[in-house]
Amino acid sequence: ETGVTQTPRHLVMGMTNKKSLKCEQHLGHNAMYWYKQSAKKPLELMFVYNFKEQTENNSVPSRFSPECPNSSHLFLHLHTLQPEDSALYLCASSQDLTRGTGELFFGEGSRLTVL
Amino acid sequence: DAKTTQPPSMDCAEGRAANLPCNHSTISGNEYVYWYRQIHSQGPQYIIHGLKNNETNEMASLIITEDRKSSTLILPHATLRDTAVYYCIDLYSGAGSYQLTFGKGTKLSVIP
Repeated sequence: ETGVTQTPRHLVMGMTNKKSLKCEQHLGHNAMYWYKQSAKKPLELMFVYNFKEQTENNSVPSRFSPECPNSSHLFLHLHTLQPEDSALYLCASSQDLTRGTGELFFGEGSRLTVL
Repeated sequence: DAKTTQPPSMDCAEGRAANLPCNHSTISGNEYVYWYRQIHSQGPQYIIHGLKNNETNEMASLIITEDRKSSTLILPHATLRDTAVYYCIDLYSGAGSYQLTFGKGTKLSVIP
């Protein structure tokens, strides 16, 4: 139990569907992250939020839309995805980007399959 | 791309020390050495970090060479639950950015 909870753990969707991944952290952190882990590839940073403001977007296609309504919750809205978007999507949190360290707490991930 | 270099895989006998090496050929003076691990089907887990001095916590020890070009993560008594992919990362810990860039890591197999 890392204090970071991701739902759903598994998701299968068609290319025309719209779905969302949810992340919630109970650690009192103010920075939250989305990472993508494709088969046999290193983890790739997608988005970073600090105090609800997006600070990083690593050239992620617009079919991935993040939302951070407060420091405890992070969403990843998915629409018109491609089969190559099938991957493990990991959420993480850390204290914040100005005072914290590089100690990130990761959730267990949401395994996404796009048909 | 990751800046560090690690062997792709290692084996370790259960109960023995596991010594995982990492090369940091381009590390700069204000970058810390971080180690994470990822057990199969789970998210990465922070293990330890250091700047210049050796560090120890309840999970592992970190040895950093004087020139900081290499480090070694030591799991003193490896168990089967330590089987995982281990990542070393150079991370600038200045204000404003904690972009962990993961490489392919070392897959450690602890053998009974």
